[in-house]
Amino acid sequence: DGGITQSPKYLFRKEGQNVTLSCEQNLNHDAMYWYRQDPGQGLRLIYYSQIVNDFQKGDIAEGYSVSREKKESFPLTVTSAQKNPTAFYLCATEPGHGLIYEQYFGPGTRLTVT
Amino acid sequence: QQQVKQSPQSLIVQKGGISIINCAYENTAFDYFPWYQQFPGKGPALLIAIRPDVSEKKEGRFTISFNKSAKQFSLHIMDSQPGDSATYFCAAGVTSGSRLTFGEGTQLTVNP
Repeated sequence: DGGITQSPKYLFRKEGQNVTLSCEQNLNHDAMYWYRQDPGQGLRLIYYSQIVNDFQKGDIAEGYSVSREKKESFPLTVTSAQKNPTAFYLCATEPGHGLIYEQYFGPGTRLTVT
Repeated sequence: QQQVKQSPQSLIVQKGGISIINCAYENTAFDYFPWYQQFPGKGPALLIAIRPDVSEKKEGRFTISFNKSAKQFSLHIMDSQPGDSATYFCAAGVTSGSRLTFGEGTQLTVNP
């Protein structure tokens, strides 16, 4: 897991509530990513950010929002518009220095919405 | 065209055997092919990666074989051990781009 912190490890929310998942890194990496993992579906990209104050939608951005105000932090908000929010959420970082392409993953947050 | 197809979905191997996981891609622009290993409740970790200028890369018991013309690559785990039991993901990306596309994952179980 290295220098990537995701908190909390388990999160429970009632349907209709927004919830924010934290991702902090001390690796000085430029790029940060949010993935959603569901059984049998691999890792699906929600949002990513290559530099501070800039981010792009991934494949399944609907119902989610992000911000990148600091290099170290990339919080993900799961809004009430996300129809099926229960999943394992993974944050990843990447150095962003040209040919270096290794993504480092955090330990994940398991979100359960009832 | 961005998809990466991975098979099998699950694999059971006896200790000491060879585990083989396959992936296929469509986008010919992909030039970076990593494999990730994930243990239950943990984030994935990079296991080994290859670029298309070589057809094979070996690191310990783990080998990637790459077939550019067939647009396929595979992970071979030699002398599989119970500690290798995990979910394995292949992925593909473009070096000049900013994202990886992941396969669906393979759950490997190595029986003692």
